[in-house]
Amino acid sequence: GAGVSQSPSNKVTEKGKDVELRCDPISGHTALYWYRQSLGQGLEFLIYFQGNSAPDKSGLPSDRFSAERTGGSVSTLTIQRTQQEDSAVYLCASSTRRGQETQYFGPGTRLLVL
Amino acid sequence: GDSVTQMEGPVTLSEEAFLTINCTYTATGYPSLFWYVQYPGEGLQLLLKATKADDKGSNKGFEATYRKETTSFHLEKGSVQVSDSAVYFCALPKSGGGFKTIFGAGTRLFVKA
Repeated sequence: GAGVSQSPSNKVTEKGKDVELRCDPISGHTALYWYRQSLGQGLEFLIYFQGNSAPDKSGLPSDRFSAERTGGSVSTLTIQRTQQEDSAVYLCASSTRRGQETQYFGPGTRLLVL
Repeated sequence: GDSVTQMEGPVTLSEEAFLTINCTYTATGYPSLFWYVQYPGEGLQLLLKATKADDKGSNKGFEATYRKETTSFHLEKGSVQVSDSAVYFCALPKSGGGFKTIFGAGTRLFVKA
């Protein structure tokens, strides 16, 4: 079946511009995660959605970052007024539930802020 | 608090060599333990997991045993191939319920022909 998809696969933007990154989770997965992976680094948790519950935004690095999930499916991560330090790979993952379940990752969006 | 510590890379091996990537953890209780792999240009994918102490997870020739006495989950493979070149992440769900998964920093493996 279809896995997690993300778009765009690559994004180059100028400092100060806003960007939107999209994630389509696996159908039926209620949990959705966003992570950031900087060059050569591990995964940094950003935000988590579970069903209709309020998302946990505790990992968002600043108020320039926001995310929403429409209809419990597609999610959009928005970065406003991008900075060069925002350059990274943004990974989305979904799972059937939370916690102990395996996460299924998308291929990521590579963001470069010039 | 909960944490995962992996051996630093990169690890460079010749084809058919034996591989060990060390992973130790601290956690409350006995969470499931995971190894994820990230091939070049791709997202992470589950390699194997173990859900309780003394369980052995295995996949694609890789193995890892959940050792509660040493709080370890070391990844091993008897004979690596060039196609195993990737970054390997050890992970565990944060204890106390909830959703966060704690990932290790990742260990990059290069296998030479």
